[in-house]
Amino acid sequence: KAGVTQTPRYLIKTRGQQVTLSCSPISGHRSVSWYQQTPGQGLQFLFEYFSETQRNKGNFPGRFSGRQFSNSRSEMNVSTLELGDSALYLCASSTGTNANTGELFFGEGSRLTVL
Amino acid sequence: GNSVTQMEGPVTLSEEAFLTINCTYTATGYPSLFWYVQYPGEGLQLLLKATKADDKGSNKGFEATYRKETTSFHLEKGSVQVSDSAVYFCALSDNAGNMLTFGGGTRLMVKP
Repeated sequence: KAGVTQTPRYLIKTRGQQVTLSCSPISGHRSVSWYQQTPGQGLQFLFEYFSETQRNKGNFPGRFSGRQFSNSRSEMNVSTLELGDSALYLCASSTGTNANTGELFFGEGSRLTVL
Repeated sequence: GNSVTQMEGPVTLSEEAFLTINCTYTATGYPSLFWYVQYPGEGLQLLLKATKADDKGSNKGFEATYRKETTSFHLEKGSVQVSDSAVYFCALSDNAGNMLTFGGGTRLMVKP
């Protein structure tokens, strides 16, 4: 069974640009969550999508957005990039059922560097 | 709001030593508790979980008991191996979907 796939794995952008990251969940998983990992702030929740609807949202500015498609694949977008957005962005998939709450399968991440 | 505090690392142990990584939490209600592990060059993976007070989660020789009275979920292993070297994250979910709150992570280094 294929794991969670994130693309691209590495990217470099400059301040003010925007970026789109993609995540393909494990087959059959309907929930996709996004996390930002930085040395200073650790792992922080961005948002979760379930069946194409945003189910939860973390405390990030509106420059961070996401969506989920009917095949459960998800994208997140960051507009007007700032230096502080440099981070590893992790996608995690889950069945989304109550019985499996918190049981996440993570991808290897997309490492974004903002210059 | 919710928060998770875990001991800072790195923790350096010799092979076959006993391991404890402390984790305490603050949350409203009755959260579920998790330990995730990140091996070098790999993604985060779930190690174990506990969903209610006094539950014990266990996997690969690791154990953690949900202690509501002390709001703790300490990770233990009786005899660590070099292959256990990784970063360990304690996390909680207030069961409103998959919005996890993570601790800062503890790096474990096991020497032969």
